[in-house]
Formats: sequence, structure tokens, C-alpha cells
Amino acid sequence: GENVEQHPSTLSVQEGDSAVIKCTYSDSASNYFPWYKQELGKGPQLIIDIRSNVGEKKDQRIAVTLNKTAKHFSLHITETQPEDSAVYFCAASIEYGGSQGNLIFGKGTKLSVKP
Amino acid sequence: SAVISQKPSRDICQRGTSLTIQCQVDSQVTMMFWYRQQPGQSLTLIATANQGSEATYESGFVIDKFPISRPNLTFSTLTVSNMSPEDSSIYLCSVAGLAGETYEQYFGPGTRLTVT
Repeated sequence: GENVEQHPSTLSVQEGDSAVIKCTYSDSASNYFPWYKQELGKGPQLIIDIRSNVGEKKDQRIAVTLNKTAKHFSLHITETQPEDSAVYFCAASIEYGGSQGNLIFGKGTKLSVKP
Repeated sequence: SAVISQKPSRDICQRGTSLTIQCQVDSQVTMMFWYRQQPGQSLTLIATANQGSEATYESGFVIDKFPISRPNLTFSTLTVSNMSPEDSSIYLCSVAGLAGETYEQYFGPGTRLTVT
């Protein structure tokens, strides 16, 4: 079955710097890759996702890139702010015929942005 | 996206008792799921809640321990039965398949359970 590895487990950056979180997956059939942000005491929030028919997607300060050949995808946060501090989870699944297989999650990255 | 609410938001329970967690969505959804998240850990899928039929459980989770109901397209319950301290965790409801969307999956705020 699918396995998702996520690195690093913790990341500390200065406010204004960029942060990059990387994930690799094992099942080449996976074609849907969402990223979630979980703040302390809250449920995970979907912040961006990418499907395998595109290589990059941006939404303001966040972007996700996908390399299908290498089976890895990354989250990029630019101009980080203290409110970006949270745990970030990547995930992978297979979308097919209007349905979706189970999301397989990485172990998470705790991002700390220091003012 | 969808607005997902869970009740209770947290509880402290005695071992051997049972707790039922409710999940309500503000719009009809195709899929509803229940996850467990132990402190500082990732998310583990317990089961998919199927409307009008038995839930589909993942390996390591059984219906006797985690009975699930889904009477309609906006509501589901998860019961944690005969609790032990090892059941202390965050339980998360998740939904997917909103009308007009592709297959994004959203999470509720979670129920924080402590078993003493």
C-alpha cells in the first residue's frame, strides 16, 4: 500500500524567510496530494492541493510542486509570518471515476516562525 | 468548503464507560470519515461511515469497539466503547464530496478524549 514520508519533522525559521516541507510517496498510482495546516487545539485545515495533471500550484504565499517521476511533492511558504506556526501534514490518495481512495498522511512537520 | 461541528469538544471519562461523539455538517456530503489522532502524532483512519449500511473499518479497528452510525447525508456518530486509557486521543470527523466540488476532504474541530 501507499506510504508517505515527510521531512523535516520540525522546522524553525525567522519571520520573513521561506519554509519548505518535502514529502515522498511510494504508490505511482497516487494522483491527489493535499496539504493540511493544524493549529494547536484545532482540526486540520486544507490549505492547498495538487493533482497529478499539474506540476505547480500557487495561492498567495503558499505553493506546492509535484515531481511525478521522482514521486515527491513539496510545500513552499514564502514571507513567513508568526501565524504560519503550526503542524503541517501532507497526504496522498488516488482519485478515480468521481471517487477517492483513503488519504494516507505523512507524520507532520512542526513549523515555528520566530518574530 | 463545509462547516463541520463536533460534540462534545472534549470530555474526561472513566475507564469501562462509553462515549458517543456527534458530527454535523452544514451541507450534504457524499463521504464521512472518522479519524484518531494521538497526541503529537499523525492522523489514522478508523472507518468510513456509510449512509444506510455498516461502516467500513480499517485494519485494527472493529465495530464492537467503535460503532458508527450515519442516518443521513449530514450527520454521523462514533461511539468509543468500553474505554481504557489507551483510547485517550483526539477523534476527528472528516467529510468529502460536497456538491459542486472535486474531491477535497475537510476536517471538523475534533473531540479531545481523556480516559482515566
